[in-house]
Amino acid sequence: AQKITQTQPGMFVQEKEAVTLDCTYDTSDPSYGLFWYKQPSSGEMIFLIYQGSYDQQNATEGRYSLNFQKARKSANLVISASQLGDSAMYFCAMREDTDKLIFGTGTRLQVFP
Amino acid sequence: EPEVTQTPSHQVTQMGQEVILRCVPISNHLYFYWYRQILGQKVEFLVSFYNNEISEKSEIFDDQFSVERPDGSNFTLKIRSTKLEDSAMYFCASSEGAGRYQPQHFGDGTRLSIL
Repeated sequence: AQKITQTQPGMFVQEKEAVTLDCTYDTSDPSYGLFWYKQPSSGEMIFLIYQGSYDQQNATEGRYSLNFQKARKSANLVISASQLGDSAMYFCAMREDTDKLIFGTGTRLQVFP
Repeated sequence: EPEVTQTPSHQVTQMGQEVILRCVPISNHLYFYWYRQILGQKVEFLVSFYNNEISEKSEIFDDQFSVERPDGSNFTLKIRSTKLEDSAMYFCASSEGAGRYQPQHFGDGTRLSIL
């Protein structure tokens, strides 16, 4: 079974609108971290936001927020007020009781004017 | 803002040759990682490194690969006898701590092309 599932291969959003990128995860470990990364077409991997499994509040970082629903095992990324520069691949990742981040397959977001 | 630096940004190598990918982690970070991303595929963990030794490695990280921290700032990945299937983007990452809530900060990557 996939540990991280991103079901949206591609998403479109108009500039200034909000968009939600979906991520579901599978773990039996009660303690884990969830992370979102942005990969522009130039290839670098930029850390955006993280959520700990015991965090009571949803994480926020500027225009990024994480809609964490533990019972549903989902950790969706919400980008508010989209900008053209937000066009990129977005990866959800999880870390359990090991060193490695487990990545999903990514969602390609395109922001249009 | 401090960042992870990787060199070169692009490396082209003949099959069978050895290649060394270099990384300078964020200066106060103690934990270092290598990942790779084959074109169009997921990012995959290769190895983690702490206190001058490997702390975890994946099944991809076989005897062809090695890592080293030759001095106080650099962290290298060596790939011996490269194969066509080693062509990928290689990312170095570092984190301040080891906990599962610690973000790993990635460099810009080295695109390795094996001919």
